[in-house]
Amino acid sequence: KAGVTQTPRYLIKTRGQQVTLSCSPISGHRSVSWYQQTPGQGLQFLFEYFSETQRNKGNFPGRFSGRQFSNSRSEMNVSTLELGDSALYLCASSSSAGTQPQHFGDGTRLSIL
Amino acid sequence: QQQVKQSPQSLIVQKGGISIINCAYENTAFDYFPWYQQFPGKGPALLIAIRPDVSEKKEGRFTISFNKSAKQFSLHIMDSQPGDSATYFCAAGGTSYGKLTFGQGTILTVHP
Repeated sequence: KAGVTQTPRYLIKTRGQQVTLSCSPISGHRSVSWYQQTPGQGLQFLFEYFSETQRNKGNFPGRFSGRQFSNSRSEMNVSTLELGDSALYLCASSSSAGTQPQHFGDGTRLSIL
Repeated sequence: QQQVKQSPQSLIVQKGGISIINCAYENTAFDYFPWYQQFPGKGPALLIAIRPDVSEKKEGRFTISFNKSAKQFSLHIMDSQPGDSATYFCAAGGTSYGKLTFGQGTILTVHP
């Protein structure tokens, strides 16, 4: 069974640009959560989607948004990029809404120049 | 009230030794406590998890001890191996919502 797939693995952007990251959950999993990982703040929850609806949102500005498609795939968008947005963005999937365990992908490394 | 505090930040043990990492939480609504292992360039991988109805769970060389009254839980790695060298994260969450709150991580180095 394939794991969580995140694309692209690496991205380099400049300040002010926007970026879209993609996540394909484990087959059969319907819940997708996004996390930001930085050396200073650690792993922080961004949002959770189930059945194309956002169920939970972390404490991030509105520049961070996401969506989920009918096939459970999810995308995350960050607009007006700032230097501080440089991070590893991780996607995790679980079988249903709010259930555990969550299984993580290998992330997208976003670097802002 | 959402914090999870993890210690130590780094840990060095000899091959064959016992590695112990501790976590403390504040939110009594948490009812799911996983440990994740992360290697460089990889995402966190679920190692072992416990729910508060048991005080200990063992899977191979990995054991979680859970103290509900103290709101603390710990990971014990028996017979530590160089291949266990990685960053370990504790986390806490609820079975009714998907958000996990993570500790700051422990960098474990096992010397051969």
